[in-house]
Amino acid sequence: DTGVSQNPRHKITKRGQNVTFRCDPISEHNRLYWYRQTLGQGPEFLTYFQNEAQLEKSRLLSDRFSAERPKGSFSTLEIQRTEQGDSAMYLCASSSHPSPPNQPQHFGDGTRLSIL
Amino acid sequence: GEDVEQSLFLSVREGDSSVINCTYTDSSSTYLYWYKQEPGAGLQLLTYIFSNMDMKQDQRLTVLLNKKDKHLSLRIADTQTGDSAIYFCAESRTTDSWGKLQFGAGTQVVVTP
Repeated sequence: DTGVSQNPRHKITKRGQNVTFRCDPISEHNRLYWYRQTLGQGPEFLTYFQNEAQLEKSRLLSDRFSAERPKGSFSTLEIQRTEQGDSAMYLCASSSHPSPPNQPQHFGDGTRLSIL
Repeated sequence: GEDVEQSLFLSVREGDSSVINCTYTDSSSTYLYWYKQEPGAGLQLLTYIFSNMDMKQDQRLTVLLNKKDKHLSLRIADTQTGDSAIYFCAESRTTDSWGKLQFGAGTQVVVTP
């Protein structure tokens, strides 16, 4: 169990640029979640996959955001035409389904996005 | 606004016990979790409790759940400097079949020597 891996750890970009983040979940986990965390707040749910299917998207996920999990393993989160308000930590988590009590969501270390 | 509420800050002396409190509003919550976040890092799962339990103990950690008052607490015995971090309470609701977590804003715990 190597844990949830996210890349890059930090991303600094100019407003208006596109960015893409990658998440590699724990290998046997079929559920993958994306959350966003702003300074001083708890994580907020963005979207969720079960295998390759994207089953739910938060209203926080505007049209500029797109997430994929093409083979049911790693996932990417792309933000187009970045805005200042997109600056945040983007967290990925994974779990198993069905999710017994001893297999809750495990989080990666996140990608911190800074928009100049 | 937050459905899960936590006090924002707790200062505790090394060796003392810490108690972090959380209230939640959704009576359909199934699992309640405590996560720890150190600066610049992701969330580390500490412990969790199923909503039909009153208490769970795991080494230095004790979780108490008062379902009637929708109140959850985390007690850390013999608090160490390495326990300084932000602690998040989170709930998973039966109405959210895919296990979405609803987090509080976090409690910053500072341990002083």
